[in-house]
Amino acid sequence: SQQGEEDPQALSIQEGENATMNCSYKTSINNLQWYRQNSGRGLVHLILIRSNEREKHSGRLRVTLDTSKKSSSLLITASRAADTASYFCATDVRGAQKLVFGQGTRLTINP
Amino acid sequence: DAGVIQSPRHEVTEMGQEVTLRCKPISGHDYLFWYRQTMMRGLELLIYFNNNVPIDDSGMPEDRFSAKMPNASFSTLKIQPSEPRDSAVYFCASSFGTLYGYTFGSGTRLTVV
Repeated sequence: SQQGEEDPQALSIQEGENATMNCSYKTSINNLQWYRQNSGRGLVHLILIRSNEREKHSGRLRVTLDTSKKSSSLLITASRAADTASYFCATDVRGAQKLVFGQGTRLTINP
Repeated sequence: DAGVIQSPRHEVTEMGQEVTLRCKPISGHDYLFWYRQTMMRGLELLIYFNNNVPIDDSGMPEDRFSAKMPNASFSTLKIQPSEPRDSAVYFCASSFGTLYGYTFGSGTRLTVV
């Protein structure tokens, strides 16, 4: 069963704009992670936010976590064509040493 | 490090044949995961190992699937006999555990005809 659900399923924006993707999950977590997958490739780890953190930055990425709402968001600022990919959130279900992935958001950056 | 290495990259086989997928994790990582990705079901965790020991195989779809990790640097996922519904991309990933990010391989695209 899917633990996380991303929203929207697909997002298309112009280069230079900001992109925001959301993730909701169901059970208590230790941490939440975001991954990127380019077409035909494996997933690449972007950022990890622990359950006691509320916000984290990495370059043009900003992740927030609201454990009371069981939700997270990923913001990509000043988007580039190379950011075109699918983005997945993954939750580390408390008590189990495994990540469960959502269905992903397909992001398209138009030049 | 060359990352997580999977082979083959593509596999086309006939229904009923045995298929073996291979994975070499990153040296030092003590967790290894096998995932399957399809359009319909997304990324599904099939099985994971810790220090070469299978910990959770609840995601293995049925007895036709089996996985082994004979040592810290090698794992296999075997499907026998294969069926068309097994067609998917199979990923191997390794890590130091879920407190850290996973490193994924490039995947094996399996097509069963």
